[in-house]
Amino acid sequence: DGGITQSPKYLFRKEGQNVTLSCEQNLNHDAMYWYRQDPGQGLRLIYYSQIVNDFQKGDIAEGYSVSREKKESFPLTVTSAQKNPTAFYLCASSVNNEQFFGPGTRLTVL
Amino acid sequence: DQQVKQNSPSLSVQEGRISILNCDYTNSMFDYFLWYKKYPAEGPTFLISISSIKDKNEDGRFTVFLNKSAKHLSLHIVPSQPGDSAVYFCAAGWGTGANNLFFGTGTRLTVIP
Repeated sequence: DGGITQSPKYLFRKEGQNVTLSCEQNLNHDAMYWYRQDPGQGLRLIYYSQIVNDFQKGDIAEGYSVSREKKESFPLTVTSAQKNPTAFYLCASSVNNEQFFGPGTRLTVL
Repeated sequence: DQQVKQNSPSLSVQEGRISILNCDYTNSMFDYFLWYKKYPAEGPTFLISISSIKDKNEDGRFTVFLNKSAKHLSLHIVPSQPGDSAVYFCAAGWGTGANNLFFGTGTRLTVIP
């Protein structure tokens, strides 16, 4: 089955710890994205990558880092510098301006 | 600054009736618009889109209308079904690449059986 997988679905971390969220796609899409969703807000772009080994900051990149070493994978690291890391994180890939989303990871920082 | 706005956080509709979800935008550069549907604890799924050269696009029970002069679009669902109950996000973008895609805050639709 083609699609985007994110793991884990729920993640708990202690304050001050870095945590990496996984995103894998087998759709052969060049472009991949990370969004954050908070209650009452639209999806906000954290980072995106149009091609392997290249990525760009989105609107709210502070406190996050990414890598794109393989076409299929675009992991997001939430660092201790992110002031409000508790949120629902969505990974997406796109073709022809249409985005396909993964199931999301809900991160809770205690 | 929210460039895409969905002013109704929730909407309840009786099964079989029409659901109308509204979306307003401020950026005149937007040239394509999309609607996504999201169930709890899942990622959004693409529903329907429209480019700025059209004013209507239809796909089965779903129709999107675009009024460029008013910077307004709407999604009509007819007839509404209980399985349509979800959060609907409007999104707008320009150019190529979804890095220029902006999302509204979502409208929670509840279809009452």
